[in-house]
Amino acid sequence: DVKVTQSSRYLVKRTGEKVFLECVQDMDHENMFWYRQDPGLGLRLIYFSYDVKMKEKGDIPEGYSVSREKKERFSLILESASTNQTSMYLCASSLGGQGKSPLHFGNGTRLTVT
Amino acid sequence: GNSVTQMEGPVTLSEEAFLTINCTYTATGYPSLFWYVQYPGEGLQLLLKATKADDKGSNKGFEATYRKETTSFHLEKGSVQVSDSAVYFCALSGDQGGKLIFGQGTELSVKP
Repeated sequence: DVKVTQSSRYLVKRTGEKVFLECVQDMDHENMFWYRQDPGLGLRLIYFSYDVKMKEKGDIPEGYSVSREKKERFSLILESASTNQTSMYLCASSLGGQGKSPLHFGNGTRLTVT
Repeated sequence: GNSVTQMEGPVTLSEEAFLTINCTYTATGYPSLFWYVQYPGEGLQLLLKATKADDKGSNKGFEATYRKETTSFHLEKGSVQVSDSAVYFCALSGDQGGKLIFGQGTELSVKP
């Protein structure tokens, strides 16, 4: 079974702090994704990556950056956390290809910015 | 661009009732379609998928048929259980390989 592990289930940070959310997958998947989930808005894509050291902006990249130095690890960085970034963050991975492969999700990190 | 629209929730049913959650989509090309389920406190899990028109995906008593003529992928189950209470997301594959576009989710609550 594919396992996608997010380092924290709950995180509380202060406004202006730099925040790192870590995600690791164990199935040698090429694709990795960061989504945020908010009530009534569903899942919105922040950033994704098709390979090591490459990244692509999703629909809402502002205020975020990512890092993929190793194939199995994809980090989401909030350069200066703000209260509107309080949300559930979901990491996912999938095999490479043209969209036929399903995404495998971690359990999420609930981030609160005060 | 591609998009997905789901019926609004919450949906509340009694145990053993019939379930339909509507999902329609807008897409260019030939996307794959997915239903995901999120149980309380967990991430999303793939429930079923269909990769081409007229395909039927099924799993755990749930099923959905890829209807290109109506651009729909409605989720159905003949007899729901309390354990089916969760949030259900419809999704389609995006323009770039691997990316999925999600609907807003439909919360289902099943009462005994």
